[in-house]
Amino acid sequence: DIQMTQSPSTLSASIGDRVTITCRASQSISSWLAWYQQKPGKAPKLLIYKASSLESGVPSRFSGSGSGTEFTLTISSLQPDDFATYYCQQYDSFFQTFGQGTKVEIK
Amino acid sequence: EVQLVESGGGLVQPGRSLRLSCTGSGFTFGDYAVTWFRQAPGQGLEWVGFIRTKAYGATTEYAASVKGRFTISRDDSKSIAYVQMNSLKTEDTAVYYCSRPDSPGYWGQGTLVTVSS
Repeated sequence: DIQMTQSPSTLSASIGDRVTITCRASQSISSWLAWYQQKPGKAPKLLIYKASSLESGVPSRFSGSGSGTEFTLTISSLQPDDFATYYCQQYDSFFQTFGQGTKVEIK
Repeated sequence: EVQLVESGGGLVQPGRSLRLSCTGSGFTFGDYAVTWFRQAPGQGLEWVGFIRTKAYGATTEYAASVKGRFTISRDDSKSIAYVQMNSLKTEDTAVYYCSRPDSPGYWGQGTLVTVSS
């Protein structure tokens, strides 16, 4: 099984801050990585697929990078609507695993 | 527009059974595998299982936590995938989601299963 290690688990930031979340895979997953945003009581919302492709309708302040085992999600200028929990997910195989999540809180 | 809609959740006692459904629309359901995920209250996302297409024998894979208790099946004529959940435990309490594993953006809205006496 491919393990996904996401850090940090919690992040306190202010409006306008640049925020970076990291995800590490236990083995190479090429670029088969997605990033999701989740708000309480809602289904996860896709932000980034194939490591760096921005999902349609997602603001351009979100970006993804990386390949192989190391990946990052960056929010270039944090907005009020961005306070949420973020998950990475590998879909290299049918056994699709997630990182533990990063809760982005207001500082 | 691709849509996946889960249904069938509810309150059930430990040891009992429940069947969830995942209805697809906006695509040829039989051409795609289906994955089930779940999220326990306040917890992260967990892969539950997966069913391949009939072209690949509609074979299934399961997480160790549900293997032997959960069974995933599909009825392509109705565009529905099911998960039959037997011998339910309190730790199976979660929101259950279905998705298309080929496209990470295709998720349903989830259905809540509460296992409690």
